[in-house]
Amino acid sequence: DTGVSQNPRHKITKRGQNVTFRCDPISEHNRLYWYRQTLGQGPEFLTYFQNEAQLEKSRLLSDRFSAERPKGSFSTLEIQRTEQGDSAMYLCASSLMTSGETDTQYFGPGTRLTVL
Amino acid sequence: AQKVTQAQTEISVVEKEDVTLDCVYETRDTTYYLFWYKQPPSGELVFLIRRNSFDEQNEISGRYSWNFQKSTSSFNFTITASQVVDSAVYFCALSEYANDMRFGAGTRLTVKP
Repeated sequence: DTGVSQNPRHKITKRGQNVTFRCDPISEHNRLYWYRQTLGQGPEFLTYFQNEAQLEKSRLLSDRFSAERPKGSFSTLEIQRTEQGDSAMYLCASSLMTSGETDTQYFGPGTRLTVL
Repeated sequence: AQKVTQAQTEISVVEKEDVTLDCVYETRDTTYYLFWYKQPPSGELVFLIRRNSFDEQNEISGRYSWNFQKSTSSFNFTITASQVVDSAVYFCALSEYANDMRFGAGTRLTVKP
């Protein structure tokens, strides 16, 4: 059973450019989460999907951030018009939601974004 | 509002020492879940344990043990006979709902040979 994978692992971009990250969850998992982690802090929740439905997006940091999961499998996180403050590690996690209980999230290796 | 506090920013021990990482949480809900994750230098968060609010039994897994006390809103993590490979940042997290997990700021543990 392969884990959560993320691509690219590192991205360097210039301020003002758009970037897109991809996350492939564990194959049978129906939930997918995006987090941002800045240096010295814990991960900060951004958004999540159950299958293809985005159930929470109010915590996305600004309207420059958007995420999709078109077929309920992989997901993409896009940041438009990047700013230096967007430099961070972007983490993806997936889980299998089978009942009303909180599920356990399994994380990918992250994409480290550097905005110059 | 939910909040997780890990007051210890950094801890340094010598190999074979026992070490306890503290986690204090705040929540208004009676049903919630607590987690510990390990983040080694490679960066990937590794799941260690999940506990629901109705299960206050302490848990032991090899050299790892967890002490959950609702009376003090704490979920502390102890590593017995620490090893160099235990060096990592450890995060405590709280989830009140099935989707929103709040992490503490983490404790960086360094185990010296």
